[in-house]
Amino acid sequence: QSVLTQPPSVSGAPGQRVTISCTGSSSNIGAGYDVHWYQQLPGTAPKLLIYGNSNRPSGVPDRFSGSKSGTSASLAISGLQAEDEADYYCQSYDSSLSGYVFGTGTKVTVL
Amino acid sequence: QVQLVESGGGLVKPGGSLRLSCAASGFTFSDYYMSWIRQAPGKGLEWVSYISSSSSYTNYADSVKGRFTISRDNAKNSLYLQMNSLRAEDTAVYYCARERGGMTTSAFDIWGQGTMVTVSS
Repeated sequence: QSVLTQPPSVSGAPGQRVTISCTGSSSNIGAGYDVHWYQQLPGTAPKLLIYGNSNRPSGVPDRFSGSKSGTSASLAISGLQAEDEADYYCQSYDSSLSGYVFGTGTKVTVL
Repeated sequence: QVQLVESGGGLVKPGGSLRLSCAASGFTFSDYYMSWIRQAPGKGLEWVSYISSSSSYTNYADSVKGRFTISRDNAKNSLYLQMNSLRAEDTAVYYCARERGGMTTSAFDIWGQGTMVTVSS
């Protein structure tokens, strides 16, 4: 059972901006642990998209941005493109579980 | 290039055992914490276990504690997951992943392609 909650799906037209929320609790995001985001294209392994709440690894377009506040975090995709259709997961650490936790996952559809 | 390649997956009966391997290349394996992460068919990601760079620290998800054992051989640049007492709910693609950052702040920056484990009679 995931302890980080994400909307099951979001959609947008090409060029639009979409956001994905990731809601946690006082034992994970609210405790100050970093949030990271992954993109999983169909049939492939996840890829790190955002680390340390808002940092992009080399090669990730600046259309992707992350933020964190309180017990939640968000991933924004601006200038939505067809190749952004994928599943997106947030991830953090949970002190009560003493382990890493993932979000429930969000499917992004480009209309 | 930096790469992780898993192997060892397959079909096993409930109660059986399986050992997964992950071969690392292109980076100094002994410098990094490593994790196993799994994904059941059509489901989300679930962290399974991590091991520190020198094998001093390990931890497991409650769902596998007491049944799975993570280990590594830094001389062979390899990560392992021994899975015992397998259950149908362990059916998943198993990924090995490299951790970047400190233990509680780690992100998984390199992933293998995954190996499928199917537990069925």
